[in-house]
Amino acid sequence: DAKTTQPPSMDCAEGRAANLPCNHSTISGNEYVYWYRQIHSQGPQYIIHGLKNNETNEMASLIITEDRKSSTLILPHATLRDTAVYYCIVRVGVSSGSARQLTFGSGTQLTVLP
Amino acid sequence: DAMVIQNPRYQVTQFGKPVTLSCSQTLNHNVMYWYQQKSSQAPKLLFHYYDKDFNNEADTPDNFQSRRPNTSFCFLDIRSPGLGDAAMYLCATSRELAGETQYFGPGTRLLVL
Repeated sequence: DAKTTQPPSMDCAEGRAANLPCNHSTISGNEYVYWYRQIHSQGPQYIIHGLKNNETNEMASLIITEDRKSSTLILPHATLRDTAVYYCIVRVGVSSGSARQLTFGSGTQLTVLP
Repeated sequence: DAMVIQNPRYQVTQFGKPVTLSCSQTLNHNVMYWYQQKSSQAPKLLFHYYDKDFNNEADTPDNFQSRRPNTSFCFLDIRSPGLGDAAMYLCATSRELAGETQYFGPGTRLLVL
């Protein structure tokens, strides 16, 4: 699976959009971009994933650049409960036919400030 | 709600005393995973079950074993815990293997005295 690079920490004001970047310049054509987050002392939580099109769900939006070498997770209206470590993970999709673990990098510690 | 359940949330054991952590799921997923997460580190996969097929990661110590008696339950056995095994142990499930979203339990924090 491709390696990802994320800033170690970011702050965001409550109620504002949080934009978390991720670089994955060695991504392959069959690899998806996944985002998980981990609130302190809890298990990781799935947020969103995408291949090349932008995706949106009730939690967040995922913007993937046209060359797929980077992406941005957007939390449109951050709350204090969004304070967590956010992991960007690149991994092969369901058509690969082989098992793939989630390889977590160091992630970004997002702190939402009141 | 369908979910992944881990009990207990906190487990204390003594150095060298076997300990078992449990995980159950109501999602009816085929795959169950065990991850180890040490303080300030990212989770690291120990092994996974696809149905009854056990798959060990190459660098998982022999001290760690797992059992999956049925679809819903999976256990992590640590035969002789050392101080270095103190960590958060996370159970996760997915419907299938490659490319599937994984759903995590809340974790069990193991303390070794």
